[in-house]
Amino acid sequence: EIVLTQSPATLSLSPGERATLSCGASQSVSSSYLAWYQQKPGLAPRLLIYDASSRATGVPERFSGSGSGTDFSLTISRLEPEDFAVYYCHQYGSSPQTFGQGTKLEIK
Amino acid sequence: VQLVQSGAEVKKPGESLKISCKSSGYTFTTYWVGWVRQMPGKGLELLGSIYPGASDTRYSPSFQGQVTISVEKSNNTAYLHWGSLRASDTAMYYCARHFVYGDYQSAFDIWGQGTMVTVSA
Repeated sequence: EIVLTQSPATLSLSPGERATLSCGASQSVSSSYLAWYQQKPGLAPRLLIYDASSRATGVPERFSGSGSGTDFSLTISRLEPEDFAVYYCHQYGSSPQTFGQGTKLEIK
Repeated sequence: VQLVQSGAEVKKPGESLKISCKSSGYTFTTYWVGWVRQMPGKGLELLGSIYPGASDTRYSPSFQGQVTISVEKSNNTAYLHWGSLRASDTAMYYCARHFVYGDYQSAFDIWGQGTMVTVSA
């Protein structure tokens, strides 16, 4: 089973700043089959990025994903107030599919 | 395109339960559907996924034998079933669609609103 480790656990930033969230895999993720989701309190997760770097429909351009192999990242270029949430990575290249433990992005 | 889940449940340990996830707006039989658990204050875990067109089911090892995933094609509905609940099954459960046509190895693009299951004596 591939273990995904997200860092940091909590990231405190201000609106307008740049955020970089990391997701490290215990083994190489096949075909860069890695996704990022955003979850706000009381709501279901929302797909942001798939295949490591492809933006899902309707996702603002300030969200971007990169990486391959065992190291992936999600970057939010300029934080908007609505971006403060919990973010999860998800690998679907190997069975069982697994999620990271999440990074909480909070307002500083 | 949406997935609508059944309502919150409160059960006692040892009871059985089946929760549902009804799809609309797309061809139900051609996309895999997964079930994801989120324990209170915790992260996401995939229990397993099913391909409604063939009832092909993949379980994560931690949940194999603990739950059963099924579908009713005539009603465009997926189900998650427990034969005997435990207190540790208390969680929010989401269904979600794997977004690539016919492909289990794809991200989840559409999510249900979640079903909260509480198991307490």
